Amino acid sequence: GAVVSQHPSRVICKSGTSVKIECRSLDFQATTMFWYRQFPKQSLMLMATSNEGSKATYEQGVEKDKFLINHASLTLSTLTVTSAHPEDSSFYICSAIHGTSGAYEQYFGPGTRLTVT
Amino acid sequence: KQEVTQIPAALSVPEGENLVLNCSFTDSAIYNLQWFRQDPGKGLTSLLLIQSSQREQTSGRLNASLDKSSGRSTLYIAASQPGDSATYLCAATGANSKLTFGKGITLSVRP
Repeated sequence: GAVVSQHPSRVICKSGTSVKIECRSLDFQATTMFWYRQFPKQSLMLMATSNEGSKATYEQGVEKDKFLINHASLTLSTLTVTSAHPEDSSFYICSAIHGTSGAYEQYFGPGTRLTVT
Repeated sequence: KQEVTQIPAALSVPEGENLVLNCSFTDSAIYNLQWFRQDPGKGLTSLLLIQSSQREQTSGRLNASLDKSSGRSTLYIAASQPGDSATYLCAATGANSKLTFGKGITLSVRP
C-alpha cells in the first residue's frame, strides 16, 4: 500500500511553454502533499507544501506565480511550471503523507524529468 | 533552520564488507528520521523510518539507529552486495511534516 504515482515520467518542452505534472496517491487519501526539486548530483529541495482545499505554502525563494500548485482532491496535486526556461530543467518529485499524526511517513512518487529546450 | 549532513559524499567498498553510513542533523526537535535509497535517474525508495521515540529500526541487512541528543543517525548495511550500489539519503522530519534532506552518500560496492 501507500503508492504515489507521477505523470508524466519525462517531458521535454520548449522555452516559454507551460508544463503540468500530476501527483496521485493511489491507495490512500493525502490531505498534504509536497513538491521537491532535485538538480543533478544535488539533494532534494522542498519547493512547496500542497494542502487539499487551500492555497499551497511555498518555501523561500520559490516563485509561486511560476510554479502553480493545485490540490483539488484528496488524491491529486498538480504542479504547473509556467513559462518554462532551461534553468527550470530538473527532476521534480512529489510526496504524500500517510499515517496518523506523530507517526506519519512521506511516500514519494517516481519523479518527473523536465527538460526545457 | 534544520541542516542535515552526510559525510563522505561517496564511498567505495568491496563486496561482502559491512559498512556504516553517517547522518547528522542540527535541530534535535524532529518527529522522525528516514533513510532512502535513490538509484540514478530514479525516485526515492524508503528504507527505514525511525520515530523520535525509537532508537533503531531493522529491515533485513539494514539497521538504522537514531540518537536525537547528539543529532546523529547511522545506517548499517551488513554483507554489502553490488546491488546495494546507489545513493543513500537521510532526511529529518520537522514541524509541519517538512523533510530536510542530506546531500546523500553515493555507495559503490565492487564485485
